[in-house]
Amino acid sequence: ILNVEQSPQSLHVQEGDSTNFTCSFPSSNFYALHWYRWETAKSPEALFVMTLNGDEKKKGRISATLNTKEGYSYLYIKGSQPEDSATYLCAFADSSASKIIFGSGTRLSIRP
Amino acid sequence: NAGVTQTPKFRILKIGQSMTLQCAQDMNHNYMYWYRQDPGMGLKLIYYSVGAGITDKGEVPNGYNVSRSTTEDFPLRLELAAPSQTSVYFCASRPSPGLAGGRETQYFGPGTRLLVL
Repeated sequence: ILNVEQSPQSLHVQEGDSTNFTCSFPSSNFYALHWYRWETAKSPEALFVMTLNGDEKKKGRISATLNTKEGYSYLYIKGSQPEDSATYLCAFADSSASKIIFGSGTRLSIRP
Repeated sequence: NAGVTQTPKFRILKIGQSMTLQCAQDMNHNYMYWYRQDPGMGLKLIYYSVGAGITDKGEVPNGYNVSRSTTEDFPLRLELAAPSQTSVYFCASRPSPGLAGGRETQYFGPGTRLLVL
């Protein structure tokens, strides 16, 4: 059974604050780690896909890091804005490269 | 490109009824997936397929069946609907592994909201 965990489950931050959250995944049989942004009543949209230990990705104010040896990834949001409010999902692809398992997500709310 | 399309958008079923959720993609992706959205649980993988004629179980396959006769279509069948199957169902597709150096992302459809009463 592949176990992908995200923490915290939910987060409330003030507009302008920076924040980060964690995704834990199996450290063996790793193929790729995905991050998605999921707004209410919409479909998940891909943010990053990372494959190499030490990978760092950045898109605007959002960035992510990857540690495959210890099985974790961090997502950072700098200077949170109301439009950042969403659920952030991570997903693990094992070495079969076919099955993709999601964590339960971190629900982020930004207070104006 | 329409991307990933799903029909219907919303359906109400009575307990014991059956139905098929349709999913189609026009991106020539070999890999396709069905997920259900459970409150507070993110997305749970029901079934997936790595190509026409090949399907495999995910985390929560009980009560569902799939088929993959073409690259484009991946229908999900509920045979005897139960209240526990009330959920939002998402279909996704992605290119075969290796085509983007491992960075092949999934593309999601708009979802089908199913209510079983």
